[in-house]
Amino acid sequence: QKEVEQNSGPLSVPEGAIASLNCTYSDRGSQSFFWYRQYSGKSPELIMSIYSNGDKEDGRFTAQLNKASQYVSLLIRDSQPSDSATYLCAVPPGTASKLTFGTGTRLQVTL
Amino acid sequence: DGGITQSPKYLFRKEGQNVTLSCEQNLNHDAMYWYRQDPGQGLRLIYYSQIVNDFQKGDIAEGYSVSREKKESFPLTVTSAQKNPTAFYLCASHTGTAIEAFFGQGTRLTVV
Repeated sequence: QKEVEQNSGPLSVPEGAIASLNCTYSDRGSQSFFWYRQYSGKSPELIMSIYSNGDKEDGRFTAQLNKASQYVSLLIRDSQPSDSATYLCAVPPGTASKLTFGTGTRLQVTL
Repeated sequence: DGGITQSPKYLFRKEGQNVTLSCEQNLNHDAMYWYRQDPGQGLRLIYYSQIVNDFQKGDIAEGYSVSREKKESFPLTVTSAQKNPTAFYLCASHTGTAIEAFFGQGTRLTVV
């Protein structure tokens, strides 16, 4: 089992819809989680971090964490074409010694 | 402004040549990482360091070397032993408590 798993996509949603991106992880000792957005040819940009079970909202973005089920998700409301990018889930060092990334989900927002 | 600076942005390497990519941070972060990214692919870990004067191999360390003599700096050398070095190289760092982790802008290396 991979340490951090994401569906590679592409996930296609129409403009204005909600995009839902999911990530599962294997390390039960993980305490915090990051979501990054990466545009083609650019470096990843940290957009959300979450440390507690439940939801965390920031503008159009909501991160959801369920430690019992070992998944973390990112919801993007009112999706815009500018949201088209690859979204990376990351798990900081917990019982593991290093920051670990999923392979990323490519999101396409269509007009 | 605090941040992570990678240089150069673009680098060209001749066959058989060693090149060094720079990564400097002024965020007082303890941990630093080097990743390689090929077109359309995810991040692959080359090396990481949790403290000064200590570093560990990642998944694809062969053909690469690093040093961590200062907390602020984590240079990556791509040696001639790396047969296919053309890629986008990313440096990242975080605090010891890993509250947040940031990336530099990346170096695009091309073999000519």
